[in-house]
Amino acid sequence: DAGITQSPRHKVTETGTPVTLRCHQTENHRYMYWYRQDPGHGLRLIHYSYGVKDTDKGEVSDGYSVSRSKTEDFLLTLESATSSQTSVYFCAISDRFRWGASYNSPLHFGNGTRLTVT
Amino acid sequence: EDKVVQSPLSLVVHEGDTVTLNCSYEVTNFRSLLWYKQEKKAPTFLFMLTSSGIEKKSGRLSSILDKKELFSILNITATQTGDSAIYLCAYTSGGYQKVTFGIGTKLQVIP
Repeated sequence: DAGITQSPRHKVTETGTPVTLRCHQTENHRYMYWYRQDPGHGLRLIHYSYGVKDTDKGEVSDGYSVSRSKTEDFLLTLESATSSQTSVYFCAISDRFRWGASYNSPLHFGNGTRLTVT
Repeated sequence: EDKVVQSPLSLVVHEGDTVTLNCSYEVTNFRSLLWYKQEKKAPTFLFMLTSSGIEKKSGRLSSILDKKELFSILNITATQTGDSAIYLCAYTSGGYQKVTFGIGTKLQVIP
């Protein structure tokens, strides 16, 4: 799927433990995104990156941090996981939009990571 | 604060019906509106709209953007059970391609 790999695919962890999710791309795209998806809330943007070491917050960034030390990897860290962070996490990548162009997809999504915090 | 609102939140129709899904937005520095379909896994792309009044079509699906009234609609004609999914509207804003999604409309098509 467009050269995006999320790891792990599933994880169960305990409250208070640190967790890192990894998104790896082979497309050399500039933009990378982390979303979480929960019933009744749709896809909510956590953080996104517009280049190496360039990141910005989304709408639900509290409790999460990110790092992008190289183009291909975007890490999402939960410093101290809470039960409210149980969710499905999607990574997405994007090249620079060519406004008005036709696309197969402006955003390419990974297959998701299902995280359960007990 | 920027926002996007989708309606209805859920919808049940019979096969063969035509449905219209709505997406209204209030976005500073709006650039484009995207539609995605999500079944069991990751969302799949439907349309990207940047210009007002130009309809985009793909088979039985079509979409249009009204930048004056700040909304978009997604039409599905002759619905099939395979159209059952969550339909997500998203907007991009600003210079860094921040993409923000709405809650989605859950469509169920029954035989």
